Amino acid sequence: TQLLEQSPQFLSIQEGENLTVYCNSSSVFSSLQWYRQEPGEGPVLLVTVVTGGEVKKLKRLTFQFGDARKDSSLHITAAQPGDTGLYLCAGAIYGGSQGNLIFGKGTKLSVKP
Amino acid sequence: DAGVTQSPTHLIKTRGQQVTLRCSPISGHKSVSWYQQVLGQGPQFIFQYYEKEERGRGNFPDRFSARQFPNYSSELNVNALLLGDSALYLCASSLALGVLSSGANVLTFGAGSRLTVL
Repeated sequence: TQLLEQSPQFLSIQEGENLTVYCNSSSVFSSLQWYRQEPGEGPVLLVTVVTGGEVKKLKRLTFQFGDARKDSSLHITAAQPGDTGLYLCAGAIYGGSQGNLIFGKGTKLSVKP
Repeated sequence: DAGVTQSPTHLIKTRGQQVTLRCSPISGHKSVSWYQQVLGQGPQFIFQYYEKEERGRGNFPDRFSARQFPNYSSELNVNALLLGDSALYLCASSLALGVLSSGANVLTFGAGSRLTVL
């Protein structure tokens, strides 16, 4: 069974603080995606990382794919209340289909003004 | 361009009943995947269909079935509903089946169908 361990599960911080969310697995992924989900909505894609060691930046968000393609991190700089939401990492197993993603349990982020 | 559309958005059923959920993919997308998201958990893969054929199945009982139509829309059926089937059912579409070197073959999710089983 492939598992994607995501941590922390809950995170409550003040506006302006930095934070990092981690996803770890013993499995190798062909790609890893980060999503953000609002209550009652579907996940919305933030970024896809494909190459081991890849770093992508999206404004104040920095995403990194581990060299061995087994782990990833999401770092948010100077968090704002608008960043509040559920962050999900999801990996496509190497050699498998992109339609079959393994999701982490999510990190529920609350940023207080 | 319309995104992935799902219907109904909300529905309530009782134990033992059957339910059909519908999904229309983004225009041009040939692959549809279904996921179940129980409250407080990440989505869990149920099925993937590509070109009207089942191309993947998650660890769900035979009460769950699906199909894809010639226009690439899809239906998810769940028979003999249990309380534990209460969840947000998500449909996602993508251009192709496998990984593109550019990483561009990503899933786009619909807003989901919220099923409550009483």
